[in-house]
Amino acid sequence: DTGVSQDPRHKITKRGQNVTFRCDPISEHNRLYWYRQTLGQGPEFLTYFQNEAQLEKSRLLSDRFSAERPKGSFSTLEIQRTEQGDSAMYLCASSFGSYNEQFFGPGTRLTVL
Amino acid sequence: GNSVTQMEGPVTLSEEAFLTINCTYTATGYPSLFWYVQYPGEGLQLLLKATKADDKGSNKGFEATYRKETTSFHLEKGSVQVSDSAVYFCALSVQGAQKLVFGQGTRLTINP
Repeated sequence: DTGVSQDPRHKITKRGQNVTFRCDPISEHNRLYWYRQTLGQGPEFLTYFQNEAQLEKSRLLSDRFSAERPKGSFSTLEIQRTEQGDSAMYLCASSFGSYNEQFFGPGTRLTVL
Repeated sequence: GNSVTQMEGPVTLSEEAFLTINCTYTATGYPSLFWYVQYPGEGLQLLLKATKADDKGSNKGFEATYRKETTSFHLEKGSVQVSDSAVYFCALSVQGAQKLVFGQGTRLTINP
């Protein structure tokens, strides 16, 4: 199965620490998205790449958040100086095609103590 | 702006009951509409989609029709099974915006 994969699946960290998550999209997909989902809510868009270019960032994405997609393949999402409010599930999705059908990974659950 | 409103859950039904989960949207332009499902312990999966008015998306016995006049995309299934227990998300995407805008989700529990 060559679906979207994310690593790690779970991360527990202390407030103030930096964390980095990785997403590997479906190999032929040129678009990659990051979302955040808190308990009982739908996913909220964070940022989007087409190939290696970051084309849109949500206002939810504070200066402590940075995302990269070097060479247009995998992507990383880094959160600096984590806060308890950053605790959430971070979802990655990828797509290819004109109707924006996105395929999601299993997510990385972040807990900030 | 773009937004999606789903009927509030949780919804509990008996096996073989008829299911409707309401979804309405507000969008600039002409959105594509989606239903995603999240089974316990798993990631989001696309259930069905519709890309223009009057399109009907269908999969696994679920159906939803894109109604432009009522800005709705209600999810229906004629006879639910225990295995349909999950959280269902309605979402839209406006062409050019790329991102998905999700509703808050509806938790469905089917009792045997």
